[in-house]
Amino acid sequence: GAVVSQHPSRVICKSGTSVKIECRSLDFQATTMFWYRQFPKQSLMLMATSNEGSKATYEQGVEKDKFLINHASLTLSTLTVTSAHPEDSSFYICSARDRASGALDTQYFGPGTRLTVL
Amino acid sequence: DAKTTQPPSMDCAEGRAANLPCNHSTISGNEYVYWYRQIHSQGPQYIIHGLKNNETNEMASLIITEDRKSSTLILPHATLRDTAVYYCIVRFYGGSQGNLIFGKGTKLSVKP
Repeated sequence: GAVVSQHPSRVICKSGTSVKIECRSLDFQATTMFWYRQFPKQSLMLMATSNEGSKATYEQGVEKDKFLINHASLTLSTLTVTSAHPEDSSFYICSARDRASGALDTQYFGPGTRLTVL
Repeated sequence: DAKTTQPPSMDCAEGRAANLPCNHSTISGNEYVYWYRQIHSQGPQYIIHGLKNNETNEMASLIITEDRKSSTLILPHATLRDTAVYYCIVRFYGGSQGNLIFGKGTKLSVKP
């Protein structure tokens, strides 16, 4: 299957700082990338959807000024958590939809980034 | 997207078949059934998807009832590495519709 990578895999930061998480599709071009958040013992919750070259679409309740998403190319999307606070501590997971999959239209997920805000 | 109902947890003996059920009684005609799994502290892994015919790949088989109101994911010979949370999701196929919306899934525990 297609490979999606995330960097970093784990980050610890101080309250008030900003953290950037990268998501890359390694062997395919992704027209659309998604960002999810998962709190302990809960399911994944979709935060936003981004298409290459256009603004991201945020789910209800997700602050777009706090979670900045940039999808500058068909293989890279970044999520920046601005002015992070302890309540932002979570497991952030990106996924990408393969542009060339045609009929398959399958979403592939990255390994996730564990963010801890002290 | 239509909602799904899955049992919260299941156990399976190693080497036996694991049959994971999913109810999706409100599925519409152009919605597909997708299965993903998430091993602890990892991103979800795609398993299989189907519309109305049964599907099989190297990981699993997907059996969809004729009325499409339910389906079963079958792992033919479960191993300890199959211990994970399994998510059944229905979504529109293709285009900008139907982002994957995750429910609570079934926590499958494969025991020696």
